[in-house]
Amino acid sequence: GQNIDQPTEMTATEGAIVQINCTYQTSGFNGLFWYQQHAGEAPTFLSYNVLDGLEEKGRFSSFLSRSKGYSYLLLKELQMKDSASYLCAPMDSNYQLIWGAGTKLIIKP
Amino acid sequence: DGGITQSPKYLFRKEGQNVTLSCEQNLNHDAMYWYRQDPGQGLRLIYYSQIVNDFQKGDIAEGYSVSREKKESFPLTVTSAQKNPTAFYLCASSIYGVAGVTGELFFGEGSRLTVL
Repeated sequence: GQNIDQPTEMTATEGAIVQINCTYQTSGFNGLFWYQQHAGEAPTFLSYNVLDGLEEKGRFSSFLSRSKGYSYLLLKELQMKDSASYLCAPMDSNYQLIWGAGTKLIIKP
Repeated sequence: DGGITQSPKYLFRKEGQNVTLSCEQNLNHDAMYWYRQDPGQGLRLIYYSQIVNDFQKGDIAEGYSVSREKKESFPLTVTSAQKNPTAFYLCASSIYGVAGVTGELFFGEGSRLTVL
């Protein structure tokens, strides 16, 4: 079966760095997306990795290891507005996204 | 401004009633999707459409119906056959419609349906 595993909740301090991990098992693989979702709002795209390695985009970076079925999202210089849920979504062989339940990130002053 | 518009944002329904959620996009995207989101769970795909006049069932299509008569519009009907319809419903679109890379998803702001 297909399975996504990410922590349910994490807490971090404003200005710090946090890493949100995601492990996955899918039928085939065509890349992995990370989305941010504020409470009661729509998810918004953060990153897409299809090759192994680190992709950096401003304060956010995303890493992928296909052989390990593992990805992480790294958030630097945390701001209060980063409090949100972060959704890991690998794409299977049919190009369908398989969504994790998300990691709720709480930022404290 | 290009985007996806869902309406209504909040909807209350009595048991036994059908309700239709609207989704309109002006991004000129080929593919459109309906997801359901419940607390503590990942998004679950209800239906998707890659081209006009064609749509496919997702993982949880039972009790739902859709149509795709225009490229811009993909309404979802929640029928009385859906046993647990209270949820947050998200419509999305992506640029590619044919088999291949679907590309990034753009989401509407969601419709929260509550069955009384």
